[in-house]
Amino acid sequence: DGGITQSPKYLFRKEGQNVTLSCEQNLNHDAMYWYRQDPGQGLRLIYYSQIVNDFQKGDIAEGYSVSREKKESFPLTVTSAQKNPTAFYLCASSRRTGGRVTDTQYFGPGTRLTVL
Amino acid sequence: GESVGLHLPTLSVQEGDNSIINCAYSNSASDYFIWYKQESGKGPQFIIDIRSNMDKRQGQRVTVLLNKTVKHLSLQIAATQPGDSAVYFCAESYKETSGSRLTFGEGTQLTVNP
Repeated sequence: DGGITQSPKYLFRKEGQNVTLSCEQNLNHDAMYWYRQDPGQGLRLIYYSQIVNDFQKGDIAEGYSVSREKKESFPLTVTSAQKNPTAFYLCASSRRTGGRVTDTQYFGPGTRLTVL
Repeated sequence: GESVGLHLPTLSVQEGDNSIINCAYSNSASDYFIWYKQESGKGPQFIIDIRSNMDKRQGQRVTVLLNKTVKHLSLQIAATQPGDSAVYFCAESYKETSGSRLTFGEGTQLTVNP
């Protein structure tokens, strides 16, 4: 059963704590992405990775960090430096053809992070 | 029923009617566009896409229209059903030196009344 999985579905964090959100895909996609979604709003890009061991900052990278040690995995750490981390976090992936990453992104089910 | 994107983020229609959801995109260099459907508490689901060398593309019960002159995109849903109730996002893609990326609109909430 191919797809993108995110865990956990719900996550609670105390202020000042770092927390890591998991994203795994078995679609053999090269590129992976992290987005943040606030209530009633669209998606904002946090970080993305076109290939293993490489990643770039998106529009709202401050307070977040990522790693891409394996093609299948792209974990996101929300650090204590992120001032307003409560949000819905979405992971996506897309494939590469002919040396270029294609545009269509497929999304996981999301993780809802709440800071207490 | 018809929405005008950011200025009217909600659209309410009767079951069986046709729905039109509009989106104004910002970058004239964008060459690929996607519509996503997002149900409450779930990730966005791909519906249909269109490249800038086309002005219309049809899927099952959905049609996307692209007007590059005025940078406007629309999603038409035929015979709208209660299961179509969701938030619909348009996304535009343009190439950067590091690869392509998507920029999402704010979304339109579609409510289908039985």
